[in-house]
Amino acid sequence: NAGVTQTPKFQVLKTGQSMTLQCAQDMNHEYMSWYRQDPGMGLRLIHYSVGAGITDQGEVPNGYNVSRSTTEDFPLRLLSAAPSQTSVYFCASSYRTIGDEQFFGPGTRLTVL
Amino acid sequence: QQPVQSPQAVILREGEDAVINCSSSKALYSVHWYRQKHGEAPVFLMILLKGGEQKGHDKISASFNEKKQQSSLYLTASQLSYSGTYFCGTESSGGSNYKLTFGKGTLLTVNP
Repeated sequence: NAGVTQTPKFQVLKTGQSMTLQCAQDMNHEYMSWYRQDPGMGLRLIHYSVGAGITDQGEVPNGYNVSRSTTEDFPLRLLSAAPSQTSVYFCASSYRTIGDEQFFGPGTRLTVL
Repeated sequence: QQPVQSPQAVILREGEDAVINCSSSKALYSVHWYRQKHGEAPVFLMILLKGGEQKGHDKISASFNEKKQQSSLYLTASQLSYSGTYFCGTESSGGSNYKLTFGKGTLLTVNP
């Protein structure tokens, strides 16, 4: 099993550009989520999904869109990048929707100029 | 709302013990503990569930006081490999149970 994979590992964008961060898992997990990590702020939940076709907002959803058309994939879209979105982004998954170990991907380091 | 972790940072010598605390203002279903090394992804340590069930690392111990919405992680006889940032994550009881909310972390440094 590859576990949770994320691409790209690094990305530099200009303000206003759009891009999609990819996340995939091969463990047949129901629950997937996106976090951003900023210095001193811990991990903050952006969006999450409890199964294919079902998504919901986390703590900091503004400026981000998600969709989940398959169990395996959960892409995160930045529609118009802003410098405030400079961060490290982690995707995570777990077998069940609650009370289960989260498996994290290796992260994507995004810089918006 | 993020759970509150304390202390923010702690420095130990190898072999010493440490306790990291996590508290929430909400009724909790579970508390998760993760460790993150610099430049890496968080790694699962333990889950403590309402009702007393625990899942996770054999060599890590933790407690969960459901009435006080508090959890503590106990690191005994610390090793150099214990260094990293420790995060607690909480899942609330009732309503939307699917959000895992993390604290800001506790930086643990173990020196020789």
